[in-house]
Amino acid sequence: QSVLTQPASASGTPGQRVTISCSGSSSNIERDSVYWYQQLPGTAPKLLIYGDDRRTSGVPDRFSGSKSGTSASLTISGLQSEDEGDYYCAAWDDSLNVRLFGGGTKLTVL
Amino acid sequence: EVQLLESGEGVAQPGGSLRLSCAASGFTFNDYAMSWVRQAPGKGLEWVSTIDGSGASTYYADSVQGRFTISRDNSKNTLFLLMNSLRTEDTAVHYCAKAHRAWLPKGGLDYWGRGALVTVSS
Repeated sequence: QSVLTQPASASGTPGQRVTISCSGSSSNIERDSVYWYQQLPGTAPKLLIYGDDRRTSGVPDRFSGSKSGTSASLTISGLQSEDEGDYYCAAWDDSLNVRLFGGGTKLTVL
Repeated sequence: EVQLLESGEGVAQPGGSLRLSCAASGFTFNDYAMSWVRQAPGKGLEWVSTIDGSGASTYYADSVQGRFTISRDNSKNTLFLLMNSLRTEDTAVHYCAKAHRAWLPKGGLDYWGRGALVTVSS
């Protein structure tokens, strides 16, 4: 049921800015809020962004979210080695009445 | 401090059953929807099911509809997932997760347990 499309991988060097995209449709991203999760190796996922562009408590302002139409993006500025992990977008689909996760993007800090 | 602790992990044969539990603490349990999300080995996150705070409304992924049942006991601050007719493709770490906002079952998930490994194999 994964109809949220993310690139499989992304990379950058320390200090760079990286953007991860998430493409959906009018029944999910365009209609409902987008959420972004970070999963570091060997740990449970962590909610980074809710309501399209709001950071959860304790998340550095290097992380930002945005949305336009049926697409959303997560941008990480000032990339750090500890940012290496997997990132997932998510949204509720009002037509299917299910929660959707993107396939995940593996971020590598070179 | 919010804590979610899953239990009930184990091995089952195809066609068998398992029940997972998630003991919650540190928040007003019946104000928040709860969800199960799973992750097969080396794969991405897959939403399984969500139940609202009262237990009256439930939602399921197509892949588990009719086989899994989510429920909760608000008097014991515990979430459950009864898994029947298990398939090899159900092998995954199953996480329980708390809704970010009270009374909003379709929103984000802000606290996650450590996960319970379910292995389906003959």
